[in-house]
Amino acid sequence: QKEVEQNSGPLSVPEGAIASLNCTYSDRGSQSFFWYRQYSGKSPELIMSIYSNGDKEDGRFTAQLNKASQYVSLLIRDSQPSDSATYLCAVSDAGGTSYGKLTFGQGTILTVHP
Amino acid sequence: EAGVAQSPRYKIIEKRQSVAFWCNPISGHATLYWYQQILGQGPKLLIQFQNNGVVDDSQLPKDRFSAERLKGVDSTLKIQPAKLEDSAVYLCASSYSRREKLFFGSGTQLSVL
Repeated sequence: QKEVEQNSGPLSVPEGAIASLNCTYSDRGSQSFFWYRQYSGKSPELIMSIYSNGDKEDGRFTAQLNKASQYVSLLIRDSQPSDSATYLCAVSDAGGTSYGKLTFGQGTILTVHP
Repeated sequence: EAGVAQSPRYKIIEKRQSVAFWCNPISGHATLYWYQQILGQGPKLLIQFQNNGVVDDSQLPKDRFSAERLKGVDSTLKIQPAKLEDSAVYLCASSYSRREKLFFGSGTQLSVL
């Protein structure tokens, strides 16, 4: 059974701080990794994808992947109240043939307070 | 570009009743997924279609759940009979191909009483 575990929340950070979200996965053969943001009552929205070891930056977001440690993280710099949401870590099937065939973590609730 | 359309938005039924959800993916998207999201959990894949064929339904409780995608466009997901534990949001998602970004619909929130 493939598992994706995220750090327990909720996570509360002040506006302007760095929010750090972590995720581990059990299937060593997994090849594609995603972070989704989900506002309350809304559907998940893809914010970052990463496929190789190292860092990937997009604006205020940085995704980090370490396949040896089976670890994925998301850093949000200069956090804003609008970043308050549930963040879902997702891992695609080990064959890497389908980016939509995802195993999700349970999510981490992030609250950014002014 | 129109997004993934789902209906109804909300549905309340009693246990042992049947229910059906409808999804219309983004035009041209060949791959369609149904996910179940129970409150406080991440989405769980139920079934994946490629055009009108099933690619993976290993996590679909086939004794009560069924899904089809006639003509490779719209899809319906049915539950018969419903159980209390089926209360969840049912998300439909689509992508242009298996290796493209996933787009989610707004979901159908099901409450089984």
